[in-house]
Amino acid sequence: QVHLVESGGGVVQPGGSLRLSCAASGFTFSNYGMHWVRQAPGKGLEWAAFIRYDGSNKYYADSVKGRFTISRDNSKNTLFLQMSGLRAEDTALYYCAKDLHPYAGRNGFNLIPDSWGQGTLVTVTS
Amino acid sequence: AIQLTQSPSSLSASVGDRVTITCRASQGISSALVWFQQKPGKAPKLLIYDASSLDSGVPSRFSGSGSGTDFTLTISNLQPEDFASYYCQQFNSYVTFGGGTKVEIK
Repeated sequence: QVHLVESGGGVVQPGGSLRLSCAASGFTFSNYGMHWVRQAPGKGLEWAAFIRYDGSNKYYADSVKGRFTISRDNSKNTLFLQMSGLRAEDTALYYCAKDLHPYAGRNGFNLIPDSWGQGTLVTVTS
Repeated sequence: AIQLTQSPSSLSASVGDRVTITCRASQGISSALVWFQQKPGKAPKLLIYDASSLDSGVPSRFSGSGSGTDFTLTISNLQPEDFASYYCQQFNSYVTFGGGTKVEIK
């Protein structure tokens, strides 16, 4: 059974940085791409980033490109999101999610976040 | 980037009703669309992939259809546990979510 646990959220000032982590278990982590998806309070879902199973390709939403970096440590079954230059509009619940298909995402196609954690809350405020 | 427009943004319905939610893509995406259900305080759950294929364990009262730019999610015989928000997501090019549809009790 897939189990994803996010951590690292908190309150940060505008312009600050934060590093989120996602501990994965219940599946072969090194075979699957992983996503970060966020949801502002009372709002809809917004995809933020994806990393292929081996870290060879990374994709970002325009809203976070250049400020956020997704990475992974397959030896520790852990996904990361390094966030810098944070803005008030980055305030959201951040979910990590496993991709549906193993080894997917070579050309940015067929990316489906199918199993999700419970999220970690990031609040950007002065 | 591909945009997805969902409608309506909210609706009120009664148990037993048939509900239809639409999702329109800004360009053709073939059948590269999935539907999620999200209940308050919970993570989204995958319902339908490839526009019309039910994920494992999803009740048959849920169905999806469409291809190209126009898609629908239909819930027949609405049940109390179906009151939730629903999102479409395209995977033809990276990832985009629709704005969501909240299904409320009438």
